[in-house]
Amino acid sequence: ELKVEQNPLFLSMQEGKNYTIYCNYSTTSDRLYWYRQDPGKSLESLFVLLSNGAVKQEGRLMASLDTKARLSTLHITAAVHDLSATYFCAVEGSGAGSYQLTFGKGTKLSVIP
Amino acid sequence: DGGITQSPKYLFRKEGQNVTLSCEQNLNHDAMYWYRQDPGQGLRLIYYSQIVNDFQKGDIAEGYSVSREKKESFPLTVTSAQKNPTAFYLCASTPGAAGELFFGEGSRLTVL
Repeated sequence: ELKVEQNPLFLSMQEGKNYTIYCNYSTTSDRLYWYRQDPGKSLESLFVLLSNGAVKQEGRLMASLDTKARLSTLHITAAVHDLSATYFCAVEGSGAGSYQLTFGKGTKLSVIP
Repeated sequence: DGGITQSPKYLFRKEGQNVTLSCEQNLNHDAMYWYRQDPGQGLRLIYYSQIVNDFQKGDIAEGYSVSREKKESFPLTVTSAQKNPTAFYLCASTPGAAGELFFGEGSRLTVL
């Protein structure tokens, strides 16, 4: 059974600071996704990582994937208040489980002025 | 505009009643999914369908039912057998059998 763990689950950071959210998963997978959710809203796709070593960047966010370590990171550079949200990673299963994504519990990020 | 439409956005239900949540997509996607989200939790898969007239149980299918009679529609029925149905329900789709999910706006169900 594929398990996905994110840490930290809660993150309070000051504007202008850098930080990294970690996503570990338990079984082999080459496909990982990051989503953002604002309070009371649906999920918005941020990054699609489809191979070992993949790195994607959008604004102040950068995501990477190390399939050998079964680890993805979401790095936040010089945080601003607009980045306050909950961030989820989701891992695509392999073999018989490849039809679905398994989600982490999410990291609730609060950026403080 | 292409997208996924869920309705209703908010729904109140009395205990013992069945309710049906609608999900319609005009993205021409093959696969559709229903997820449940509880406060402070990630998403858990209820049912998914990869093609018309076929669907599979996810991790928490008990107390739910679905149908897939048309490619664009995947309604979810929350039955009275679901003991704790209060949650945020999200419908999603993908072009193929798996991959990046595109989500609807969600339906928030509250049992009174």
